[in-house]
Amino acid sequence: KAGVTQTPRYLIKTRGQQVTLSCSPISGHRSVSWYQQTPGQGLQFLFEYFSETQRNKGNFPGRFSGRQFSNSRSEMNVSTLELGDSALYLCASSPSNREAFFGQGTRLTVV
Amino acid sequence: EDQVTQSPEALRLQEGESSSLNCSYTVSGLRGLFWYRQDPGKGPEFLFTLYSAGEEKEKERLKATLTKKESFLHITAPKPEDSATYLCAVLGNQGGKLIFGQGTELSVKP
Repeated sequence: KAGVTQTPRYLIKTRGQQVTLSCSPISGHRSVSWYQQTPGQGLQFLFEYFSETQRNKGNFPGRFSGRQFSNSRSEMNVSTLELGDSALYLCASSPSNREAFFGQGTRLTVV
Repeated sequence: EDQVTQSPEALRLQEGESSSLNCSYTVSGLRGLFWYRQDPGKGPEFLFTLYSAGEEKEKERLKATLTKKESFLHITAPKPEDSATYLCAVLGNQGGKLIFGQGTELSVKP
């Protein structure tokens, strides 16, 4: 069974640009969540989607947004990038409010 | 407010030296407590789920236990390949939102 796939694995962007990250969940999993991981703050919840609807949202500015498609694949977008947005962005899929399985992440560097 | 605190922040062991990692939590309506292992530059790898106080789970050299306020990850006779950061997370009433601790960085020397 294939795991959670995130693309791209690495990304370098300039301040002010926007970026879109992609996540393909484990087949059959309808819940997809996104997390930001930094050395100082650890893993912080961004948002969760279930059946194309945002079910939960963390304490991040509106520059961070996401969506889920009918095939459960998800994207997250960050607009007007800031240096502080440099982080490992992790996607997790879950069969439904149970254990979450993570992808390898996208390492975003903002310069 | 839901909160997870892990201790110690870092732990250095000699190969074969058993020890325990602690995860203290406060959460509204615990729906599950999860342990993950994370290697540098990679995503967290799922280890265990615990749902209620008194529950225990084992996998190779690892054993996780749960009380009403904390969880322990016991490592028996660790090997260098057990070196990683171990993360604890709780799932409460807020849907799919996992609250993570800061992790314990484990180093096992041969």
